[in-house]
Amino acid sequence: EVQLVESGGGLAQPGTSLRLSCAASGFDFNVYNMNWVRQAPGKGLEWVSYIASGSKTIYYADSVKGRFTVSRDNGQKSLFLQINSLRVEDTAVYYCARDSAVLSSAFDYWGRGTLVTVSS
Amino acid sequence: SSELTQDPAVSVALGQTVRITCQGDSLRRYYASWYQQKPGQAPVLVFSGQNNRPSGIPDRFSGSSSGNTASLIITGAQAEDEADYYCNCRDSSGNHVVVFGGGTKLTVL
Repeated sequence: EVQLVESGGGLAQPGTSLRLSCAASGFDFNVYNMNWVRQAPGKGLEWVSYIASGSKTIYYADSVKGRFTVSRDNGQKSLFLQINSLRVEDTAVYYCARDSAVLSSAFDYWGRGTLVTVSS
Repeated sequence: SSELTQDPAVSVALGQTVRITCQGDSLRRYYASWYQQKPGQAPVLVFSGQNNRPSGIPDRFSGSSSGNTASLIITGAQAEDEADYYCNCRDSSGNHVVVFGGGTKLTVL
């Protein structure tokens, strides 16, 4: 069974940093491209970042470029998102999502998400 | 970057057919994917590409595309289909940047 489990969220002050993790199981993590998607309270989905299976290709949404860094450890079957210089507007549930093998940008499995709250 | 536009809310009578639409220039080049999200839950992929329905998704969910518009069609809507629906696709830049629509709240009457 494919599982994605996020962790690392919590309450943080503006200007500080957080590192989110996503533990994958039930599939060959090292052959799948992965994404982070976030959802602010009561709002829609916002794609945040993409990392290819071998980490050679990485993309970010303009809204997070320069502050967010995505990485992965295929040996540990884990995906990471380093968030620096946190802003109030970064408050959201952060989901990791797997790229489908059928269609890139179709996210066929999602984790339950981890909530990041940025507040002073 | 590109944008995808969805109607904020749509309603359908129980058992009837409903079409949820998604418009954007990126859809002229890339296929859309559709997600269902119920309150407090993670999104679930219900349809993608030209004709891909994930395992476990009822066959009342289908999709179509024409020009700059993609549609999710629910034929014979059920009470459990009441949810938020989001489309997404790759950005028209050609890079692996992804854009989501704003979402459509589906009410089953």
